[in-house]
Amino acid sequence: DAMVIQNPRYQVTQFGKPVTLSCSQTLNHNVMYWYQQKSSQAPKLLFHYYDKDFNNEADTPDNFQSRRPNTSFCFLDIRSPGLGDAAMYLCATSMDRGQETQYFGPGTRLLVL
Amino acid sequence: SQQGEEDPQALSIQEGENATMNCSYKTSINNLQWYRQNSGRGLVHLILIRSNEREKHSGRLRVTLDTSKKSSSLLITASRAADTASYFCATDSSNTGKLIFGQGTTLQVKP
Repeated sequence: DAMVIQNPRYQVTQFGKPVTLSCSQTLNHNVMYWYQQKSSQAPKLLFHYYDKDFNNEADTPDNFQSRRPNTSFCFLDIRSPGLGDAAMYLCATSMDRGQETQYFGPGTRLLVL
Repeated sequence: SQQGEEDPQALSIQEGENATMNCSYKTSINNLQWYRQNSGRGLVHLILIRSNEREKHSGRLRVTLDTSKKSSSLLITASRAADTASYFCATDSSNTGKLIFGQGTTLQVKP
């Protein structure tokens, strides 16, 4: 059974056109993370929510925002996608912060035309 | 700055052989985790080893941690073609849940 679900799996958008990626979880975990992974690179944390508490990484561009309307759902909004934002976006969850396994979704591959 | 570096970047072996991947990191850690990623997919957690542990086993996987050398290794014994994937180490230094991933080792197991 899927525990961390990401939709869509593939997203094509145009340069500058806002796009939203979706993540949902059935694990009832407190923490949800968004990572960006470019081709042949390591995943890089963009931000995470600890319950409703939003934590942005210092080097995450302002172009990226997130919403967590409830425990189960978290969204990644890219306000004005550039060509450099084409990547795999991975959502992950953990029960708590620290000393915890993270459970990843299958990812959404974003293509910017 | 990147915390983990992995070695080798790519590894190709025959089915049945053992595969060893190494990870080095720069700062003190609370735990180190190994993840597997099949091409174009999400990451799957393999093993978490805490800073006060030296070795952990899970099935055909064996992970060691040497905090004095700031390094870890992942050994996959009796490899199978289905083990073909990228393997990433990730460190948790702050107990905030922030994982910093290494660049990964791409493993190919030939049938």
